[in-house]
Amino acid sequence: DTAVSQTPKYLVTQMGNDKSIKCEQNLGHDTMYWYKQDSKKFLKIMFSYNNKELIINETVPNRFSPKSPDKAHLNLHINSLELGDSAVYFCASTPTDSITQYFGPGTRLTVL
Amino acid sequence: AQSVTQLDSQVPVFEEAPVELRCNYSSSVSVYLFWYVQYPNQGLQLLLKYLSGSTLVKGINGFEAEFNKSQTSFHLRKPSVHISDTAEYFCAGIFNDYKLSFGAGTTVTVRA
Repeated sequence: DTAVSQTPKYLVTQMGNDKSIKCEQNLGHDTMYWYKQDSKKFLKIMFSYNNKELIINETVPNRFSPKSPDKAHLNLHINSLELGDSAVYFCASTPTDSITQYFGPGTRLTVL
Repeated sequence: AQSVTQLDSQVPVFEEAPVELRCNYSSSVSVYLFWYVQYPNQGLQLLLKYLSGSTLVKGINGFEAEFNKSQTSFHLRKPSVHISDTAEYFCAGIFNDYKLSFGAGTTVTVRA
């Protein structure tokens, strides 16, 4: 299937741990994004990469570091997890000739 | 500041009744507008979008929206809802910063 996929779907971890969420799109899109959806369902952009280059970096703690090994992948690494990091994280992608974003299924992160 | 506001946080509606979800935007520059739907425990799915041209936009699942520049609105409508339309609906806009900004969401609950 062609899609934006994320792994894992659920992630439960302890405070202070380091974890990664992976995103892959096989749509041939050039731009990828990470969004955070908080407990009130509010969605906010965190990062955006275009062809492996960082183009949007919102006010996000340095503990969050995106990594794009190639234009089909955008991973999110989080160091020293805190309770407030609990949220659903969505990956999205956009083709070069469009501004429409296509979202992955989300990763629900729970920090205990 | 450029933003998107959803005027209703919750909309209860009976099956087969019409529904309208209100969205207003604040921008003095051009804007691209979107409606996304999030079914329970799922990712975001694009319902429809307005980029330019005809102000009446038809989307998937029988939804439509009308771009009204004078009212700075982009309300979503469906003439007859089904139980399966129960979901969270997000209005979003892209302004001159090319970032997708979301409204707070509207929870639609369809009752038999």
